[in-house]
Amino acid sequence: QKEVEQNSGPLSVPEGAIASLNCTYSDRGSQSFFWYRQYSGKSPELIMSIYSNGDKEDGRFTAQLNKASQYVSLLIRDSQPSDSATYLCAVSIRGAGGTSYGKLTFGQGTILTVHP
Amino acid sequence: NAGVTQTPKFQVLKTGQSMTLQCAQDMNHNSMYWYRQDPGMGLRLIYYSASEGTTDKGEVPNGYNVSRLNKREFSLRLESAAPSQTSVYFCASSEASHYGYTFGSGTRLTVV
Repeated sequence: QKEVEQNSGPLSVPEGAIASLNCTYSDRGSQSFFWYRQYSGKSPELIMSIYSNGDKEDGRFTAQLNKASQYVSLLIRDSQPSDSATYLCAVSIRGAGGTSYGKLTFGQGTILTVHP
Repeated sequence: NAGVTQTPKFQVLKTGQSMTLQCAQDMNHNSMYWYRQDPGMGLRLIYYSASEGTTDKGEVPNGYNVSRLNKREFSLRLESAAPSQTSVYFCASSEASHYGYTFGSGTRLTVV
C-alpha cells in the first residue's frame, strides 16, 4: 500500500461543475495535510492546508479531512478552465522516530481538465 | 519577492559527469528539501534539512549528496550522473514542520 494515494484520474468536468479530488493516507498519526496545484511545466503551488477533522473553505475551494477514515478531499466549486492542472495531495508522514520533521509525502497527482 | 531560487533551470549531462544544483531562499525558513519528480511517480524526497547544520536522507538518496551551506542555501550534488537521474528536481522550503512548502521553479536535468 502506498503511503499517500489519490484517485487515478484523469478527471474531466464541465465548466461550472464541482470537481471532487480524493486522497487516502496510511499513517494514522499524520497531523498536516495539504493540496497543491501544479500547472504543466511549472512548480507545485500550495492552495489549501488542513489540520483538523471537518471542512475548511477558501473561496471556491473546500478541503475535507476525516482522520478516522484516513481520508482527505478537495472540492472545487464553479470549476473554471483555469483550474485545469494536476492536483497533488501531500501528507506529513512520521518517520521511525515518530516525527515528520516537516517532511511531506505526495500522492501521484490527479489531472483535472475543466472543459468549456 | 524572490522566494525560492533554483539554478540552473535546464541541464544536460553525460553519464559520469558531476554537477551541483543550487537552491536559495530569502524567507528565513528553517527547513529545506530536495525532491525529484518523475512521470507516474509523483514527488519523491531525496534529502532534507530540518534546520541549519543538519541534513538527513529521504526516500531516494542514493547517488546524491547535499550541503546546507547556511540558513539560506541548500545544494544538491550528483557525483557521477546516471541516466536514471534524468528528472525534474525541485527545491522547497518551509517555515516550520506543520507549514506547507514554497517550491522553487525546478531544474530539468537530462543525463545521456
